[in-house]
Amino acid sequence: AQKVTQAQTEISVVEKEDVTLDCVYETRDTTYYLFWYKQPPSGELVFLIRRNSFDEQNEISGRYSWNFQKSTSSFNFTITASQVVDSAVYFCALSGRARGKAAGNKLTFGGGTRVLVKP
Amino acid sequence: NAGVTQTPKFQVLKTGQSMTLQCAQDMNHEYMSWYRQDPGMGLRLIHYSVGAGITDQGEVPNGYNVSRSTTEDFPLRLLSAAPSQTSVYFCASSYRRSAYEQYFGPGTRLTVT
Repeated sequence: AQKVTQAQTEISVVEKEDVTLDCVYETRDTTYYLFWYKQPPSGELVFLIRRNSFDEQNEISGRYSWNFQKSTSSFNFTITASQVVDSAVYFCALSGRARGKAAGNKLTFGGGTRVLVKP
Repeated sequence: NAGVTQTPKFQVLKTGQSMTLQCAQDMNHEYMSWYRQDPGMGLRLIHYSVGAGITDQGEVPNGYNVSRSTTEDFPLRLLSAAPSQTSVYFCASSYRRSAYEQYFGPGTRLTVT
């Protein structure tokens, strides 16, 4: 069975501080995909990044960066110089290999981390 | 493209009532799914479909039915609503392979009294 753990339920920072969100996952698949989604106060889910299990390169997109470490089964997310607009709930999710008629697209989500950025 | 649309946005039901949550996508995605979101539990998969006529259960399927007669539509039916089904429901779609990100609808907030 797959499992995603986001141990931090809520993080509060002051604007311009950096914030790192932890994500630890469990899977028996050798091929899998990891995702981060953002859920702002308006409620929609916004895709941020996808990473496959064979690509351990870190990735940076503007103020966002991701650190994937297969050895520790972690896929952490850092927001640099946080802004009030970053206030949201962030979800880490995992999908695995398709088996039979079952889709590999089935996502297992972590419980989410609420980030509050104060001005 | 409208993306993934869901109706209604809000719904209040009494225990025992039935209803259908609608979901449609216009991206020709093979894969569609329903999730429910409860506080502190992230999103949990209810049912999914890999194409018209093909559906399967997710993690929490009890009390829900689905069918997929077209590529575009994937309705979720609550057979006899219970207070435990009070939740926010999200529909999602993607291309079938697990490498692809899923596109989520805006959600339906359901309250069962």
